[in-house]
Amino acid sequence: AQSVTQLDSQVPVFEEAPVELRCNYSSSVSVYLFWYVQYPNQGLQLLLKYLSGSTLVESINGFEAEFNKSQTSFHLRKPSVHISDTAEYFCAVCPMDSSYKLIFGSGTRLLVRP
Amino acid sequence: GAVVSQHPSWVICKSGTSVKIECRSLDFQATTMFWYRQFPKQSLMLMATSNEGSKATYEQGVEKDKFLINHASLTLSTLTVTSAHPEDSSFYICSYTVDTFGSGTRLTVV
Repeated sequence: AQSVTQLDSQVPVFEEAPVELRCNYSSSVSVYLFWYVQYPNQGLQLLLKYLSGSTLVESINGFEAEFNKSQTSFHLRKPSVHISDTAEYFCAVCPMDSSYKLIFGSGTRLLVRP
Repeated sequence: GAVVSQHPSWVICKSGTSVKIECRSLDFQATTMFWYRQFPKQSLMLMATSNEGSKATYEQGVEKDKFLINHASLTLSTLTVTSAHPEDSSFYICSYTVDTFGSGTRLTVV
């Protein structure tokens, strides 16, 4: 079985400050890792994913996440946030043998203040 | 990229009635569709997997007779919430793959 833990339910941060959203996972099998963003009353948008290769993955809007196998973590970071980054962020894993079934963390609300 | 169109975006219904939610794949053929449910301020939980031309696979604890899933064609999967109750009020989202999600349906049962 797999589980995903996002310890921070809400992270308030000032605009242009750096931010890190934490994600840890537990799995008995190898997994793919994902970060999604959800704006109010909208569906999910894939932010970035780790499938294999370089452990540091980047998105087009400045977010990055690093896969750390020994710590079973996949923390999301951004060096300078904008007001528009305010949203709910979900970390998720997909077992490599499960045909796209996703297991989500509880989510972290990023609140960017001016 | 692949696009999944989900309708309706929101619906309010009375207790005891049924509601159908549709997910259409616009530019590809989907043999499988995943249905997730998200309660307010909570994460998404996989409810079931629909399979074109065969029975859906339900996750543990999900009532098959209450949440009817149909995948009659390669471009359409539907979720019908039967005899809806207020506790079924939730946000329902379909997904084709890990990077293709519908826009979600907000269901409110009054």
